[in-house]
Amino acid sequence: NAGVTQTPKFRVLKTGQSMTLLCAQDMNHEYMYWYRQDPGMGLRLIHYSVGEGTTAKGEVPDGYNVSRLKKQNFLLGLESAAPSQTSVYFCASRRSDRGREKLFFGSGTQLSVL
Amino acid sequence: QQQVKQSPQSLIVQKGGISIINCAYENTAFDYFPWYQQFPGKGPALLIAIRPDVSEKKEGRFTISFNKSAKQFSLHIMDSQPGDSATYFCAASIPLADKLIFGTGTRLQVFP
Repeated sequence: NAGVTQTPKFRVLKTGQSMTLLCAQDMNHEYMYWYRQDPGMGLRLIHYSVGEGTTAKGEVPDGYNVSRLKKQNFLLGLESAAPSQTSVYFCASRRSDRGREKLFFGSGTQLSVL
Repeated sequence: QQQVKQSPQSLIVQKGGISIINCAYENTAFDYFPWYQQFPGKGPALLIAIRPDVSEKKEGRFTISFNKSAKQFSLHIMDSQPGDSATYFCAASIPLADKLIFGTGTRLQVFP
């Protein structure tokens, strides 16, 4: 049982390049999330999805796009990377809309934008 | 109203000591308060959680104390060990919420 898997684990981009981060979960969870983690800023929600084919904006959505074409996958795209997007990105998932449900996190993607 | 304020940002404790991390909130609709633990290079993982109908919850060396009237809750780590060195996040949510509201995190270092 792999849980939440993120690829790639590390990536270096030049300003203006694009890339896609992939999150896959094998727990049949409805809800999926993308967070970024920066020193002193905690976990900030970028976008999330409450089910296949749905997406919604979080706290810091600018510069990112997402897609949830399959229930098990949640993709985070950067169309034109900027140095301010240098961060550690975490994907998470949970089973349902109950607020008390446990979040399962992936191990993160370290992204550097030069 | 949707914020959860966490302090301190960093904490250094000697082995065997008590680590205390505090969180405060404004939204009285919050009804679930989890703590997540994150080791370096890993994603956060649920450590312990409490609902507002109890004032304390204990799991091993970890205890959440909850003060509903003050709108504060805290994590106490008794007999802190070097293996407890991690970043701790408090969080809160309302019933049927789409998402958790996270605090900004506390980096705990426990020295032998």
